[in-house]
Amino acid sequence: GAGVSQSPRYKVTKRGQDVALRCDPISGHVSLYWYRQALGQGPEFLTYFNYEAQQDKSGLPNDRFSAERPEGSISTLTIQRTEQRDSAMYRCASSLVGGETQYFGPGTRLLVL
Amino acid sequence: GENVEQHPSTLSVQEGDSAVIKCTYSDSASNYFPWYKQELGKRPQLIIDIRSNVGEKKDQRIAVTLNKTAKHFSLHITETQPEDSAVYFCAASSPRGAGSYQLTFGKGTKLSVIP
Repeated sequence: GAGVSQSPRYKVTKRGQDVALRCDPISGHVSLYWYRQALGQGPEFLTYFNYEAQQDKSGLPNDRFSAERPEGSISTLTIQRTEQRDSAMYRCASSLVGGETQYFGPGTRLLVL
Repeated sequence: GENVEQHPSTLSVQEGDSAVIKCTYSDSASNYFPWYKQELGKRPQLIIDIRSNVGEKKDQRIAVTLNKTAKHFSLHITETQPEDSAVYFCAASSPRGAGSYQLTFGKGTKLSVIP
């Protein structure tokens, strides 16, 4: 079946602009996770949903970052007033339920100029 | 919160030799430990995982061991092949209440298998 998909795959934006990153999880997966991965590092947890409920947002760096999953399927990670330090690979993962195997998407590489 | 340390950061082995990567974790409540392989430009792919109720798991050339008392777990790859070259990440999953689970990753090990 189809795996986790993300769009766009690449995003170049100017400092100060808002960006919205989309994640489409594996069909039927209850849990959805957002991570940020710097080059040469492991994924760093940002936030986590069960269905449409945001269970944990402790990893969001500041209030410019927000995420939603209104219908319990597709999720959007929004970064407002982007800064150069926001440049990174943003990855989404989903699992059947919380605590189970997480399957990663291809990521969105964000570059803030 | 959970802290995962991974060693070594780089590892070079001759084709056919074994490779061992070690990780330690800090949260005794962590109960799920996956290993991911990430090739250059690709997404992390799960290669093996282990839960806290077992001490060892094997899948062909790959095995993982877990020592809960010492809070460390290891990945063993035998008969390495050039296609095993990649970055490997360990991770630990700790329950955070209200059905929430957080996966904390190590910093990765770049494995190079020399033909």
